[in-house]
Amino acid sequence: AQSVAQPEDQVNVAEGNPLTVKCTYSVSGNPYLFWYVQYPNRGLQFLLKYITGDNLVKGSYGFEAEFNKSQTSFHLKKPSALVSDSALYFCAVRDPTLSGNTGKLIFGQGTTLQVKP
Amino acid sequence: GAGVSQTPSNKVTEKGKYVELRCDPISGHTALYWYRQSLGQGPEFLIYFQGTGAADDSGLPNDRFFAVRPEGSVSTLKIQRTERGDSAVYLCASSPIGGRENSGANVLTFGAGSRLTVL
Repeated sequence: AQSVAQPEDQVNVAEGNPLTVKCTYSVSGNPYLFWYVQYPNRGLQFLLKYITGDNLVKGSYGFEAEFNKSQTSFHLKKPSALVSDSALYFCAVRDPTLSGNTGKLIFGQGTTLQVKP
Repeated sequence: GAGVSQTPSNKVTEKGKYVELRCDPISGHTALYWYRQSLGQGPEFLIYFQGTGAADDSGLPNDRFFAVRPEGSVSTLKIQRTERGDSAVYLCASSPIGGRENSGANVLTFGAGSRLTVL
């Protein structure tokens, strides 16, 4: 069965420092991987995705993620954190063998990022 | 509209009552999805519409849950005989095309959700 794990419930970072939010996945075949961010009282917003190609994917707001097939990971990173980056982050995977429903995602449980001034 | 709109934003009901949650997707998006997010968890897929038809309802937990999209735009999620365990945030999302592989199909735009509390 396909699954996503975010091992950290919360990540605390000082403003200006680099941040990493971890994600590992389990899926048969080559996965489609996504990061979404959720701010309070707002819908999930798409950050970035990996479908194929370059393992380093760049997304919105200066975020990037690296697909590592051997470690089955897709960690979210940012070189310099901002206080405004504080939010709930979700990693998600889509089974590429699933045809016809390209929006059926399996989400991790989420990681709260707290960036302190 | 500019985004995905969901109403009501909050709904409190009593156990056993019937509830309807509405989703108005981005204009022109043919694919519409419902997800459920319980406290402390990630969203879980419920149902997917391509146009007017439910193309995949494999995530609906039981037959108390039903959704429609009669004109291929607005969708309504209906929950009968609500139970306390139904309390969650119900999220709606849309995308340009649901069944084809392209850069737009894979990205979902979510609404802010409808928070359902069953007392």
